[in-house]
Amino acid sequence: EVQLVESGGGLVQPGRSLRLSCTGSGFTFGDFPMGWFRQAPGKGLEWVSFIRSRGYGGTIEYAASVKGRFLISRHDSISIAYLQMNSLKTEDTAVYYCTRVLEQQYCRGSNCSAPYYYGVDVWGQGTTVTVSS
Amino acid sequence: DIQMTQSPSYVSASVGDRVTITCRASQGISSWLAWYQQKPGKAPKLLIYAASSLQSGVPSRFSGSGSGTDFSLTISSLQPEDFATYYCQQANSLPITFGQGTRLDIK
Repeated sequence: EVQLVESGGGLVQPGRSLRLSCTGSGFTFGDFPMGWFRQAPGKGLEWVSFIRSRGYGGTIEYAASVKGRFLISRHDSISIAYLQMNSLKTEDTAVYYCTRVLEQQYCRGSNCSAPYYYGVDVWGQGTTVTVSS
Repeated sequence: DIQMTQSPSYVSASVGDRVTITCRASQGISSWLAWYQQKPGKAPKLLIYAASSLQSGVPSRFSGSGSGTDFSLTISSLQPEDFATYYCQQANSLPITFGQGTRLDIK
């Protein structure tokens, strides 16, 4: 069974740090882009960050709201992705989901388009991060 | 950033009804649109990608259509397990953005 399991959430004070972990199983972890999304209480879905597979250079992207504060990484040998969250703000309070991302890229010779992250087919159960004093 | 606007925000319907939810992008996104279903306390579930491609394992009563800026998700005959919140997501460019959601309730 394809599965993602997050851990590391909790209550943290503003300005502090927290690291989320995501363990994948049931698929070749290193072959897929991985991403983090979040959902604030009673709100909609928000993209946080992507990291591509090493085969595609491990390119990293961040939402503007977290850029410079959050760091995404992956350790394919142990099928784990991380989200290091620094300088946390109250508005970072949310359920954080680890995801497996589907991507498509078009190439003509050596010229390739930017990837299209066209869907998220596997979601973890979510881990709750509460930033409060 | 591309803004995604869903309508309606809330719909009440009965088992067996046909329901259509629409999603409009603030600029053209070709067919780079996905639809998700989310039940309370659960992670979202991918239903449709590339505007009209049905994700493996999703019942055929779900269908998607559209391109450019206007898209729709149709459930042909509502089943009890379909009552949930639905989100559209554009995949044309970063940042990935979602619609605000459409809550589908039982009438």
